[in-house]
Amino acid sequence: QQQVKQSPQSLIVQKGGISIINCAYENTAFDYFPWYQQFPGKGPALLIAIRPDVSEKKEGRFTISFNKSAKQFSLHIMDSQPGDSATYFCAASMEGGKLIFGQGTELSVKP
Amino acid sequence: EPEVTQTPSHQVTQMGQEVILRCVPISNHLYFYWYRQILGQKVEFLVSFYNNEISEKSEIFDDQFSVERPDGSNFTLKIRSTKLEDSAMYFCARKTERRRYTFGSGTRLTVV
Repeated sequence: QQQVKQSPQSLIVQKGGISIINCAYENTAFDYFPWYQQFPGKGPALLIAIRPDVSEKKEGRFTISFNKSAKQFSLHIMDSQPGDSATYFCAASMEGGKLIFGQGTELSVKP
Repeated sequence: EPEVTQTPSHQVTQMGQEVILRCVPISNHLYFYWYRQILGQKVEFLVSFYNNEISEKSEIFDDQFSVERPDGSNFTLKIRSTKLEDSAMYFCARKTERRRYTFGSGTRLTVV
């Protein structure tokens, strides 16, 4: 119930393409869904986050799509760049609770 | 967002030795967390610390682990008798009122 499942494990995209990473959860008490970006040797950095009262949130080239009935959410990176190459984690939390991470997706954007 | 500073950045220790990992969250926030990440794996919750007390801990956080805020600012994670499987990146994090978590750059612990 506390798990967040993330796919794919790794992703290779050409420069300028769209990167799509998917996550699913079971616990309907989760009400905060962030995405984190992690570069080697660094801590996770918040990229974008969404709450379940909206179905989509966009910040620059990054968009979260949220499907409450399916208990799924996804990250779309438009016009992917080599500098976007990193590991991406989805996560979820409930009020007063800890942040629970997905397994991570290693994204490689080829020039 | 103000940074969370962790020291040391890398620590190598002998199995069975005690280690203390330090975190300096530059703010007056009350919620702090320790997470760990075994190489190539996901980030796992260890413990949350609220108002100078443990508020939640995971199954990983057994009697070998402890957390303290000894001087009101530094936040420490102690592992009493390290095991090989404790080798990982350890991240300190703080949480704001809007549930934004800021993570430190981590301490890479290598147990040999």
